[in-house]
Amino acid sequence: QSVLTQPPSVSAAPGQKVTISCSGSGSNVGRNFVSWYRQFPGAAPKLLIYENNKRPSGIPDRFSGSKSGPSATLGITGLQTGDEAHYYCGTWDSSLNVWVFGGGTKLTVL
Amino acid sequence: EVQLMESGGGSVQPGGSLRLSCVASEFTLSDHFMDWVRQAPGKGLEWVARIRNKANSDSTEYAASVKGRFTISRDDSKNSVFLQMNSLTREDTAVYYCARKHYGIDVWGQGTTVTVSS
Repeated sequence: QSVLTQPPSVSAAPGQKVTISCSGSGSNVGRNFVSWYRQFPGAAPKLLIYENNKRPSGIPDRFSGSKSGPSATLGITGLQTGDEAHYYCGTWDSSLNVWVFGGGTKLTVL
Repeated sequence: EVQLMESGGGSVQPGGSLRLSCVASEFTLSDHFMDWVRQAPGKGLEWVARIRNKANSDSTEYAASVKGRFTISRDDSKNSVFLQMNSLTREDTAVYYCARKHYGIDVWGQGTTVTVSS
């Protein structure tokens, strides 16, 4: 049972937009920066979003992040079949003094 | 190119020990927080341990599931971070990633596989 709650799966058609939620609490998402990661099967995770809504160099602006209170959201526009992957949110939990990840969301582009 | 390369994974019997290593390229590891993150087969990401930078006194934190059994450490002369794993159980079977915490966890190694089995 993850401290951060993500939907197990989401799906949308190519070219459409999808959002993935990450629900936490005041000690983690509500207090600290949230980052988002994408992982393809058999590969290491890759940072997509840091500090709630910033994109590292090389990440297209189709990817966006937002946060409100204890919840964060990853948005992906202009979906491509190559976006099919698992997506994870992560942040520090100031009460537990540990880093926490969401359980992950599998994105299917139909 | 900024890189992390893990080594030391393998098969070990329950109750055994293993030491994972991670060497950094093109950045000074001691300037950053460094993490170990693992992923059991078919499961999600699980954060394992963190060692902070020198400016933060090299302090460490551990997940509850490994506290008292795993130890994270650093050797600045080798630009490397280590994970000493003792009293291993089948639940520790996973791919272990070394990662850099900068703005988010921004650099990841390719992972090393640990299998705990009799």
